[in-house]
Amino acid sequence: KAGVTQTPRYLIKTRGQQVTLSCSPISGHRSVSWYQQTPGQGLQFLFEYFSETQRNKGNFPGRFSGRQFSNSRSEMNVSTLELGDSALYLCASSLTWRAEWNTEAFFGQGTRLTVV
Amino acid sequence: GESVGLHLPTLSVQEGDNSIINCAYSNSASDYFIWYKQESGKGPQFIIDIRSNMDKRQGQRVTVLLNKTVKHLSLQIAATQPGDSAVYFCADSRDDKIIFGKGTRLHILP
Repeated sequence: KAGVTQTPRYLIKTRGQQVTLSCSPISGHRSVSWYQQTPGQGLQFLFEYFSETQRNKGNFPGRFSGRQFSNSRSEMNVSTLELGDSALYLCASSLTWRAEWNTEAFFGQGTRLTVV
Repeated sequence: GESVGLHLPTLSVQEGDNSIINCAYSNSASDYFIWYKQESGKGPQFIIDIRSNMDKRQGQRVTVLLNKTVKHLSLQIAATQPGDSAVYFCADSRDDKIIFGKGTRLHILP
């Protein structure tokens, strides 16, 4: 069974550009969550999608957006990139959207975004 | 506000000894807690979880203890091995999202 796949693994962008990151969840999983990981702030919740609907959102500006497709694959987009957006972006997939209903939240290896 | 954190950013333990990683949380409404392990270059990996109606749960070589009175959570790893070297995060689930603490890096001394 394939794990969570995130592409690309590494990305370098310039300030002001936009970027799209992709996450393919484990087959059969319908919930995808996105997190930003930085040395200073740790792992911070961005948003969660279930059945193509955003179920939950963290405290990030509107420059951060996402979507989920009918095959459960998800993308997140960051527009007008800032230096502070440099981070490891992780996605996690699970069967359900209620975290405590299912303990199997599997994370991908992440996309390392560097903004210069 | 939301706060889940660990007491120490780094912990060094002799190989074979037991490791204890601590975590404090601030929201008394939190009812589900999870420990994750993150190895270098990888995403976090689920280790063990515990619900607020329990005070102890055991897995393979790991035990999680929950003290709701002082809002404290700990992860105990028995007979620590080199493969346990990683960053450990405690997290709690509130409002259908998982909130992570900052993490403790566990170093294994030979």
